[in-house]
Amino acid sequence: AQKITQTQPGMFVQEKEAVTLDCTYDTSDPSYGLFWYKQPSSGEMIFLIYQGSYDQQNATEGRYSLNFQKARKSANLVISASQLGDSAMYFCAMREGETSGSRLTFGEGTQLTVNP
Amino acid sequence: AAGVIQSPRHLIKEKRETATLKCYPIPRHDTVYWYQQGPGQDPQFLISFYEKMQSDKGSIPDRFSAQQFSDYHSELNMSSLELGDSALYFCASSFFRTVSYEQYFGPGTRLTVT
Repeated sequence: AQKITQTQPGMFVQEKEAVTLDCTYDTSDPSYGLFWYKQPSSGEMIFLIYQGSYDQQNATEGRYSLNFQKARKSANLVISASQLGDSAMYFCAMREGETSGSRLTFGEGTQLTVNP
Repeated sequence: AAGVIQSPRHLIKEKRETATLKCYPIPRHDTVYWYQQGPGQDPQFLISFYEKMQSDKGSIPDRFSAQQFSDYHSELNMSSLELGDSALYFCASSFFRTVSYEQYFGPGTRLTVT
């Protein structure tokens, strides 16, 4: 079974509007971390936001927030006030366990296009 | 702020040749990870090292080997290269004292095998 599922291959949003990118995950490990990365067309992977499985509050980092619904096993990324520079591929990823060196498992990504 | 350094940034090799990719983690980071990203695909985990010991191992071909050195830099050695090895290779680093172990990625090495 897929560990990370991103069901939106592509998303479009108007500049200055908010957009939600979906991510669901599957794990039996009680301790895990969820991450979102941005990959512009230039290729680099940029860390955006992190949510731990025991965190009570949703993570926020500037215009990025993570809507964490543990019972539904979802970790959606919300980008507020979209900017043209937000156009990129966005990957949801999961780390299982709490050992340094544990791998990230990525979803297939969502290509976000911000229209002027 | 200092970032992960990877060299070379681009590499062109022929089939059956060998390649060595280098990674210099963010200062104070003690863990390095290697990922392979094929065209249009998500990154796939290869291997990781914590304090110079192998920590986790993914779908790394037997033709590939890697190690982490005493200064924490890491090298990925790839032998008998195949056309299918053409990909973007990322190194990432993290620091074990953080709660999240968030991984910071380098710019990647784009390997083309002809």
